[in-house]
Amino acid sequence: QKEVEQNSGPLSVPEGAIASLNCTYSDRGSQSFFWYRQYSGKSPELIMFIYSNGDKEDGRFTAQLNKASQYVSLLIRDSQPSDSATYLCAVRAGNMLTFGGGTRLMVKP
Amino acid sequence: EAEVAQSPRYKITEKSQAVAFWCDPISGHATLYWYRQILGQGPELLVQFQDESVVDDSQLPKDRFSAERLKGVDSTLKIQPAELGDSAMYLCASSPQERDTGELFFGEGSRLTVL
Repeated sequence: QKEVEQNSGPLSVPEGAIASLNCTYSDRGSQSFFWYRQYSGKSPELIMFIYSNGDKEDGRFTAQLNKASQYVSLLIRDSQPSDSATYLCAVRAGNMLTFGGGTRLMVKP
Repeated sequence: EAEVAQSPRYKITEKSQAVAFWCDPISGHATLYWYRQILGQGPELLVQFQDESVVDDSQLPKDRFSAERLKGVDSTLKIQPAELGDSAMYLCASSPQERDTGELFFGEGSRLTVL
């Protein structure tokens, strides 16, 4: 079974710090990788996607992909209390998009 | 802004009863997904449609769950009979076929509580 693994957390960081969220996946045929944010009681929303090895930056968010290590991460710079949410890693292989269990991030003022 | 519509938002039922959820995807989106999300876990795919055809239903408990998208537009997910372990959020999502970025547009979900 194809798996996407995340530490459930909670990951607690002070306001203004860098939050680092990690995800590993089992299917070497995976082609594209996504980070969704889910606020409590709400639906997931896409914040970033990455296809190629290396880094991709979008504002305060940076996604990092290492296909050899089957590892993808999300860095959030200058973390804000409004970033407090669960972050879901999702991996696409063919037609299948598989979600990890999510990491709960808490940003303390 | 176009949204995925789901109903009902909340449903409380007793075990062994039948439950149905409805989803209307964003207009023009060919792919429709039903996910189940148990509290504290990630979404788990139940069924994926491409137009009116099922692409993947390998994780759908077919003894009690059924899903249809008869005209390739809106969709219904049914559970009969409901069990205590079915308590979860049922999320519908859609995506446009021609833009395979993996971005799914989620509805607000239907929260099911089975007593």
